[in-house]
Order: sequence, then C-alpha cells, then structure tokens
Amino acid sequence: KAGVTQTPRYLIKTRGQQVTLSCSPISGHRSVSWYQQTPGQGLQFLFEYFSETQRNKGNFPGRFSGRQFSNSRSEMNVSTLELGDSALYLCASSFEGVETQYFGPGTRLLVL
Amino acid sequence: QKEVEQDPGPLSVPEGAIVSLNCTYSNSAFQYFMWYRQYSRKGPELLMYTYSSGNKEDGRFTAQVDKSSKYISLFIRDSQPSDSATYLCAMRNKFYFGSGTKLNVKP
Repeated sequence: KAGVTQTPRYLIKTRGQQVTLSCSPISGHRSVSWYQQTPGQGLQFLFEYFSETQRNKGNFPGRFSGRQFSNSRSEMNVSTLELGDSALYLCASSFEGVETQYFGPGTRLLVL
Repeated sequence: QKEVEQDPGPLSVPEGAIVSLNCTYSNSAFQYFMWYRQYSRKGPELLMYTYSSGNKEDGRFTAQVDKSSKYISLFIRDSQPSDSATYLCAMRNKFYFGSGTKLNVKP
C-alpha cells in the first residue's frame, strides 16, 4: 500500500506571496491532519480534515487554511507569507482520525 | 505549561546500550500514546502505540505508560547506530507531540 505523499517536496517563496501544499493520504484513510515543524517549536498541529470537513483546528492565524476533497486528498494554503512560516509542513493520514497517524515526507518551505 | 513535555537531549550512548526516553503530560483525558522516530529531513515514522497503562513490547522496543503519573517511556534495547534519530512522543485526543529527543548511538 502506498504511503502518504506530499507535493512539492521543497519550495522557496518570498514574503507576501501565498503557497498551496498538497497531500495524498493512504488509500482508504479519510482523516488528514497538517502540522508545522520548526526547530524552535517542534511539531505543531494546524488542522484536521475528515470527510471534507474541518474537524479540529490548532492555534494558527487565519492565513493558514485547508480543504479536503471527496477523494480525501487535502491541500493547505498559506497566504501573505512571513519569514516565520519557513518550516517543514507535514501531513498525516489515518482511517478515522482517532487511532494512529502515518506521516508523509513533508514539504520544506523557505520564505525569503 | 505545555501539554506534553519531553527532554530535547541530545542523548549520546554507546552501541549496545539500553536507551530510556521519557515524556510527561498534563491532560488526564489523553487516551492514545504513541512514539515516532524521525530521521533527519524525513517525516516522523510510527514506532509504537498503546492506549492503556502498562508495557507493550515490539522487538528491541518497549513502550511503557503510567497514566496515574502521566508519564510515558520508550526503552530501546541493544541500541544500534541506525537508531540515531529524533524520537517524538505523541498523545491524543487531539494530537499533541513532545518536542522530540535527539538520540545519537555511537558505534
């Protein structure tokens, strides 16, 4: 069974731009969660989608948004990028969201 | 106070040593407990999970949960250089992660 895939793997943007990241979950998984990982803050929960609905949300500003499609693929959007948004963005999928999650390799975003 | 506290290390041990990694948490509602391993520039990889107090063993790895003390541990026996990575504890209802302990196993 194929794992979680994320595209693109690397991205360089400048301040003020926006970015869209994509995540394809493991086949059959309906829950997709997004995380931001930085050396200083560790792994921080952004939001979780289940069956196209946002089910949980972390403490990030409204510039961070997401959506999930009917095939469970998910996208995350960050608008008006700031230097502090430079991070590894990870997506994780699970069947129902209650049990364990499986992570993708991440998208490394650098904001200049 | 953070929901989950984890010593960031780094922790350096000789090959073959027994490694003990620990996390404490504050929310007694947490029911699922997990350990992830993350190699440099990779996404976290699930190592073990459990939802009850006690021990769970898988090969060289043993996960221990003490809900009364809000304390979880991961033991690695006969540690290998390939175990060198950052180990993250995680727990939920929502997912909360420790900041990770960087482990270096010296050959």
